Amino acid sequence: NAGVTQTPKFRVLKTGQSMTLLCAQDMNHEYMYWYRQDPGMGLRLIHYSVGEGTTAKGEVPDGYNVSRLKKQNFLLGLESAAPSQTSVYFCASSSPTQNSPLHFGNGTRLTVT
Amino acid sequence: AQSVAQPEDQVNVAEGNPLTVKCTYSVSGNPYLFWYVQYPNRGLQFLLKYITGDNLVKGSYGFEAEFNKSQTSFHLKKPSALVSDSALYFCAVILGGSGNTGKLIFGQGTTLQVKP
Repeated sequence: NAGVTQTPKFRVLKTGQSMTLLCAQDMNHEYMYWYRQDPGMGLRLIHYSVGEGTTAKGEVPDGYNVSRLKKQNFLLGLESAAPSQTSVYFCASSSPTQNSPLHFGNGTRLTVT
Repeated sequence: AQSVAQPEDQVNVAEGNPLTVKCTYSVSGNPYLFWYVQYPNRGLQFLLKYITGDNLVKGSYGFEAEFNKSQTSFHLKKPSALVSDSALYFCAVILGGSGNTGKLIFGQGTTLQVKP
């Protein structure tokens, strides 16, 4: 099993450009999440999904949109990138119980100049 | 509001010595607590969790953690550190009960450096 796969691994954008980050999981998990990791701030939840066709805002949703058209995929979009969105983005998935561990992808390092 | 604090940015230990990485939490009810580890250029990996029951929980790679309700702490421990344990460690909490969809709150992380 590949687990959670994120593409691309690296990306450099200019301010105002748009892009989509793709997350795919092969564990048949109901829940999926997008986090961003910044030095000294841990991981902060951007958006999450509890099932196909449903999404919800997390702690830091502004400037991002998401879609979950298929159970195995969770897309994160930046419509107009800003330097403040320079970060490492992690996707995760889990079973639909509170005590289920999250399974993380290896991250996408995004730089916005 | 839920929160997690990891008071040390970095912990340095010598190989073979015991290690402790500290975590304190704040929730208004029963917490579910987790530890994750992150190696360079990788995603987080689950180490262990406390849900209920025995206050000492054992996890992967010889790690264990002790839940202390009175001190609202969940410190990560290992009796004998290895150089390969060097990594970034995250504590995380979620309020147990219905209505919480697995949205973990993470601490800021502690870098563990184990020197030979």
